Amino acid sequence: SQTIHQWPATLVQPVGSPLSLECTVEGTSNPNLYWYRQAAGRGLQLLFYSVGIGQISSEVPQNLSASRPQDRQFILSSKKLLLSDSGFYLCAWSLGGGREQYFGPGTRLTVT
Amino acid sequence: EDQVTQSPEALRLQEGESSSLNCSYTVSGLRGLFWYRQDPGKGPEFLFTLYSAGEEKEKERLKATLTKKESFLHITAPKPEDSATYLCAVGTQGGSEKLVFGKGTKLTVNP
Repeated sequence: SQTIHQWPATLVQPVGSPLSLECTVEGTSNPNLYWYRQAAGRGLQLLFYSVGIGQISSEVPQNLSASRPQDRQFILSSKKLLLSDSGFYLCAWSLGGGREQYFGPGTRLTVT
Repeated sequence: EDQVTQSPEALRLQEGESSSLNCSYTVSGLRGLFWYRQDPGKGPEFLFTLYSAGEEKEKERLKATLTKKESFLHITAPKPEDSATYLCAVGTQGGSEKLVFGKGTKLTVNP
């Protein structure tokens, strides 16, 4: 069966510091991978998605970036965090073809 | 623009009191409609996929239905453990690998 991991589970970072969140998927090959942010009282906001190694589509212009160095690894980064980057970050995978997405446990980021 | 609207935003039920959650959508072409359950502090958990009008799916006390413009999540005789936020999402035709999510309905079931 497939498993998706995210770490860390929680993170408190000062404004201006860098960020690296990691997501890995086990038990499948060549999945589509997604990064979402969920702010309090708001819906899921798609940040990036990838249909293959090195292929990244950005949905929201901001100070975040994403990379996919390996087939089942997806990384979300920032060089300098803003207060507005606080939120619940979720990674998801799917088999593509418009099928359902499966979500990881999430990372709670607080920027102080 | 593809859009998903869920109603109500919040719903309080007594244990055993059946009700329905609504998800209305406006898309250029529906590829699939998805229901998720999300508990506080956790990632959404996949429940159902519906592909065409008239389709129904069931799981325990939950039943999802689909028409050409909306989907309903019927909850029969809910229990307190059904309390969660329920999210609806649509996939659209045209080769997009993205889903469009609604903002969810927060369900509270009181004992």
